Amino acid sequence: GAVVSQHPSRVICKSGTSVKIECRSLDFQATTMFWYRQFPKKSLMLMATSNEGSKATYEQGVEKDKFLINHASLTLSTLTVTSAHPEDSSFYICSARDLWANTEAFFGQGTRLTVV
Amino acid sequence: SQQGEEDPQALSIQEGENATMNCSYKTSINNLQWYRQNSGRGLVHLILIRSNEREKHSGRLRVTLDTSKKSSSLLITASRAADTASYFCATDETGANNLFFGTGTRLTVIP
Repeated sequence: GAVVSQHPSRVICKSGTSVKIECRSLDFQATTMFWYRQFPKKSLMLMATSNEGSKATYEQGVEKDKFLINHASLTLSTLTVTSAHPEDSSFYICSARDLWANTEAFFGQGTRLTVV
Repeated sequence: SQQGEEDPQALSIQEGENATMNCSYKTSINNLQWYRQNSGRGLVHLILIRSNEREKHSGRLRVTLDTSKKSSSLLITASRAADTASYFCATDETGANNLFFGTGTRLTVIP
């Protein structure tokens, strides 16, 4: 199947700093990428949907100024957690989909963010 | 909320037994997918069943879909300790581009 690479897999940062997470589709064009957040022993909650070249659409309750999403190319989307706080500590997972080809969604390996 | 419900939330069985997990959802779907997640790791896609399919098999996995009841089940036969993980259903809903995940079932297979 198609490959989505997410980096880094783990990151520890200090409160107040910003962290960037990358999501790359390695062998297909991702017209649309999705960012999910997962709390321990909980399900995945959609944070935002980004289409290449457009502004991301955020789900209700997700602060767009806090979680900056950029999808500047068909193979790369980034999520930047700005001014991180300990409550932002979580598991973040991206998925990518080629809506032109109507493919299924493929998931990255996830990023474990710990804010200290 | 468009999030699906799964039951049971947790399931503990002996190795060799079968495990059945159920998923219910709320809207019309294009397909329903099952994923597995080991603790603290990413998602592994297990199987996809389309809305016009009623049953699908893949190795020790058997998935059923009843669109009239908006429900699906995942059966893992002859379970192994390595099957211990969380299992999520995810719906690809008509008119939406993202997947909506169920609440998950934590399966523990005791050797």
